[in-house]
Amino acid sequence: DADVTQTPRNRITKTGKRIMLECSQTKGHDRMYWYRQDPGLGLRLIYYSFDVKDINKGEISDGYSVSRQAQAKFSLSLESAIPNQTALYFCATSDSTGGMDYGYTFGSGTRLTVV
Amino acid sequence: TQLLEQSPQFLSIQEGENLTVYCNSSSVFSSLQWYRQEPGEGPVLLVTVVTGGEVKKLKRLTFQFGDARKDSSLHITAAQPGDTGLYLCAGGGYGQNFVFGPGTRLSVLP
Repeated sequence: DADVTQTPRNRITKTGKRIMLECSQTKGHDRMYWYRQDPGLGLRLIYYSFDVKDINKGEISDGYSVSRQAQAKFSLSLESAIPNQTALYFCATSDSTGGMDYGYTFGSGTRLTVV
Repeated sequence: TQLLEQSPQFLSIQEGENLTVYCNSSSVFSSLQWYRQEPGEGPVLLVTVVTGGEVKKLKRLTFQFGDARKDSSLHITAAQPGDTGLYLCAGGGYGQNFVFGPGTRLSVLP
């Protein structure tokens, strides 16, 4: 099994629909992240969580919400999807020993299309 | 806002050639990471550099962190088709979330 598993891998949804993207990890890391990737823009941080009771907004959180159900699970929701949320979404975890991030482990991504 | 620029944006070379890609910022980072991303997959960490002037080698890949910790380079010797992918740099450190550059898309032709 993959260290970081994202479901679904692909999703097409209609404008205005609510959609949830799920992420689970077996790395045992406390820190989890949601990123969105658009061509030419790189990876942009949506939300991050340093433990189950800690949720923080990233640079592009508008229109998104998250839930950290357990150390291993972090889900991303689009309450009312719009076409400019069409993108590749990645979940990641990190090892933060001593407060320094030593690198992210990414899932395989969810390709979301909003029509 | 910390920004990372990467150059070139695209690079297409023949198998066996050498190449260097660059990652630059006006900000100082405590550490810098390089990732490679293949189509349909998430980025995979290649290396983390934390000391100004540090050089790390990973087989045919050589990574350098600038003395001022604002820039980094990735040099590939004798490129192979398996090196094809999107190379991303990310800067961050203590108390900072990592910021990603837009990437260099490398194509190595057989």
